[in-house]
Amino acid sequence: DGGITQSPKYLFRKEGQNVTLSCEQNLNHDAMYWYRQDPGQGLRLIYYSQIVNDFQKGDIAEGYSVSREKKESFPLTVTSAQKNPTAFYLCASHGLAGVRSEQFFGPGTRLTVL
Amino acid sequence: AQSVTQPDIHITVSEGASLELRCNYSYGATPYLFWYVQSPGQGLQLLLKYFSGDTLVQGIKGFEAEFKRSQSSFNLRKPSVHWSDAAEYFCAVGAYGGSQGNLIFGKGTKLSVKP
Repeated sequence: DGGITQSPKYLFRKEGQNVTLSCEQNLNHDAMYWYRQDPGQGLRLIYYSQIVNDFQKGDIAEGYSVSREKKESFPLTVTSAQKNPTAFYLCASHGLAGVRSEQFFGPGTRLTVL
Repeated sequence: AQSVTQPDIHITVSEGASLELRCNYSYGATPYLFWYVQSPGQGLQLLLKYFSGDTLVQGIKGFEAEFKRSQSSFNLRKPSVHWSDAAEYFCAVGAYGGSQGNLIFGKGTKLSVKP
């Protein structure tokens, strides 16, 4: 079945450590997105990529980094510079950059900083 | 600037009652609009979408939404709510210009269902 997988589902990190969240899609989608979700805040865009080897900052990129070396993969690194990283992280993809379509979402990763 | 407002943070309805969740948007061009649903600890699932044409859109799970350009609204409705509809609902509008494909989300409405 086609879809988006995120791993791990739960992640615990000590303060001062970097951690990488995985996002893989087999939908052959061009565009991929990372969102952060906090209670009552809705979804806030961290980074997005519309094509391999290119990505753009979203609204809250500080303290995060991404790469897009392959079409199907868009990993997110939460660095030690992120002041409050505890949150639910959602990855999404979109069929064709520039074409009207919905975004498809993965199941999410809950990151907790201890 | 584009924005989406969901005025109701939390709504409680009785099982079997009708439901309407409000969504207002601010957009500089013809919008394309979405409603998503999220169960606790899960990803978002698309309920329905509007791109053009008929302003009354049918979705999954018995939901529908009506696009009203004059009111800048895209309210979600269901005639009879089931306990399994308890979840959080997000309205979104598609971005235009250089970031086509991006979505602007409202902050969500949490739905509770009373037995």
